[in-house]
Amino acid sequence: GAGVSQSPSNKVTEKGKDVELRCDPISGHTALYWYRQRLGQGLEFLIYFQGNSAPDKSGLPSDRFSAERTGESVSTLTIQRTQQEDSAVYLCASSPGTVDQPQHFGDGTRLSIL
Amino acid sequence: GNSVTQMEGPVTLSEEAFLTINCTYTATGYPSLFWYVQYPGEGLQLLLKATKADDKGSNKGFEATYRKETTSFHLEKGSVQVSDSAVYFCALNTGFQKLVFGTGTRLLVSP
Repeated sequence: GAGVSQSPSNKVTEKGKDVELRCDPISGHTALYWYRQRLGQGLEFLIYFQGNSAPDKSGLPSDRFSAERTGESVSTLTIQRTQQEDSAVYLCASSPGTVDQPQHFGDGTRLSIL
Repeated sequence: GNSVTQMEGPVTLSEEAFLTINCTYTATGYPSLFWYVQYPGEGLQLLLKATKADDKGSNKGFEATYRKETTSFHLEKGSVQVSDSAVYFCALNTGFQKLVFGTGTRLLVSP
């Protein structure tokens, strides 16, 4: 497709389970970002990948959170031993990686922890 | 560090009213500034951007001017429509880096 694709669109799981969220960026975009949006709040940066450089993980809230990206393609965000405060919409964005180019967002994965 | 402050909502207007949503920023270096919009049930979309001082971004009747002297990027529209009801986010970045978002302002337009 033409846009950023995320799956699943919704995920409900029990506290303590691990979850994996997937992001397919726009083809040719070298930069990929993960953000979290809690209910009624703004977006919080989680992690950023740019080409083959080491990712910027400065926004990950705990060591239960990790993300991988293979080359310039798909990325997965993994949350281990989920907690109720992890409930949020997780948004992925990609950009061409050149200066001043905007980020294009997917529709997000709504994660609910019971 | 970099931060964005935008007015709290909700902003409630009647159709055809004038809209202003205030946004101010703090940044090191020379950031690019953005307004993103999130319509009900939809993903985040870029509305407009400005990359240097005095630039004016515009789209769909919305405008915002990059004011370095007041570190502001206020969003304006001369005549809002019901279909403009959404949450609006002001954001900045420096270079390729992550976007720093404001907390969002919900706009409700009634007929």
